[in-house]
Amino acid sequence: AQRVTQPEKLLSVFKGAPVELKCNYSYSGSPELFWYVQYSRQRLQLLLRHISRESIKGFTADLNKGETSFHLKKPFAQEEDSAMYYCALRGGGFKTIFGAGTRLFVKA
Amino acid sequence: ETGVTQSPTHLIKTRGQQVTLRCSSQSGHNTVSWYQQALGQGPQFIFQYYREEENGRGNFPPRFSGLQFPNYSSELNVNALELDDSALYLCASSVNQGGGYEQYFGPGTRLTVT
Repeated sequence: AQRVTQPEKLLSVFKGAPVELKCNYSYSGSPELFWYVQYSRQRLQLLLRHISRESIKGFTADLNKGETSFHLKKPFAQEEDSAMYYCALRGGGFKTIFGAGTRLFVKA
Repeated sequence: ETGVTQSPTHLIKTRGQQVTLRCSSQSGHNTVSWYQQALGQGPQFIFQYYREEENGRGNFPPRFSGLQFPNYSSELNVNALELDDSALYLCASSVNQGGGYEQYFGPGTRLTVT
């Protein structure tokens, strides 16, 4: 069965500290993995996807097929990074499965 | 370029009633997906429409149905509403691109069933 697990509902870090939002997935084939972000009073939007291998707003995520993980990382958190983050999986078709989300709170 | 819009913003219905939610896709997008997001949960896939045909469905009963029109706008219809249908309903439009797949989400419709 396809599943996305985000073990932390809330992650609180200080400004300037490193941040890692965890995402583990369950899928038998080769999935497409995404991170979506929702800032306060804004709509859900794509942050990054694994096939692009890009860094957006200082965030990166590496697909680890051995550990079936796609953790989101940033070396120095900023207050404007405070938001809800969703990891999502698309497995060779039309269906995108989202995790339950992690709320990141960056303290001044 | 116009983004994804949804109407209405909020809606209150009584158990057993029927509801129609509407979505206008982003310009140039021919695919629309609908999601249900319960409080404290991530979006859950309901179904997807591509060029007016349903081409995929999640684990939702048949009382959840949809339509896509020639201009790629879409409707989500829910019959025989139940209390558990109370949620935020999101639509997302997309078009397959060479570099991958990106969905653009609307602001959502908040449905409350009493």
